[in-house]
Amino acid sequence: KQEVTQIPAALSVPEGENLVLNCSFTDSAIYNLQWFRQDPGKGLTSLLLIQSSQREQTSGRLNASLDKSSGRSTLYIAASQPGDSATYLCAVFNNNDMRFGAGTRLTVKP
Amino acid sequence: EAGVTQSPTHLIKTRGQQATLRCSPISGHTSVYWYQQALGLGLQFLLWYDEGEERNRGNFPPRFSGRQFPNYSSELNVNALELEDSALYLCASSLGRSTEAFFGQGTRLTVV
Repeated sequence: KQEVTQIPAALSVPEGENLVLNCSFTDSAIYNLQWFRQDPGKGLTSLLLIQSSQREQTSGRLNASLDKSSGRSTLYIAASQPGDSATYLCAVFNNNDMRFGAGTRLTVKP
Repeated sequence: EAGVTQSPTHLIKTRGQQATLRCSPISGHTSVYWYQQALGLGLQFLLWYDEGEERNRGNFPPRFSGRQFPNYSSELNVNALELEDSALYLCASSLGRSTEAFFGQGTRLTVV
């Protein structure tokens, strides 16, 4: 059974800092990996999708990498802003489902 | 283009009753996923439907069930509601298992 872990559980940084969120998974036989953000009490917003054959994807200030062999993905956020404050979740697509990590709660202080 | 829509937004039920939650996927999407997110907890996988068939279910009791209709919309039914079923129920859709998933805003179920 696929297990997805996200570290750290919470992170607080001053505005303008670059930061890295980590996601690890136990079964490397994945179809793809997707990063989301969730604002309190809301649904999830898709940020980036990385196909299993890809190494990284970029969207604006966000860059996600994938190392399938080691079961790791990182989400890099450049020049963080207060509006980036949210919970960030990674999800791994297997043959049978889409499994989520518990998320990293990010706070960016002005 | 409309995103994933869920109804109702909020639902209040009494313990022992049944709840029905609905999800309309993005046009053209054939896969629908259901998740439960209890307060302060992560997303727990409930059900996955694709092309009208149930492909997988998570570790939930049988009183959690659902179906997918020919137009690919989906229903989640929760029978014999318990207090601990109170949670945000989220639905996602995708073109297939290897494509980007999009979520609705969820249904907040409160069991009293």
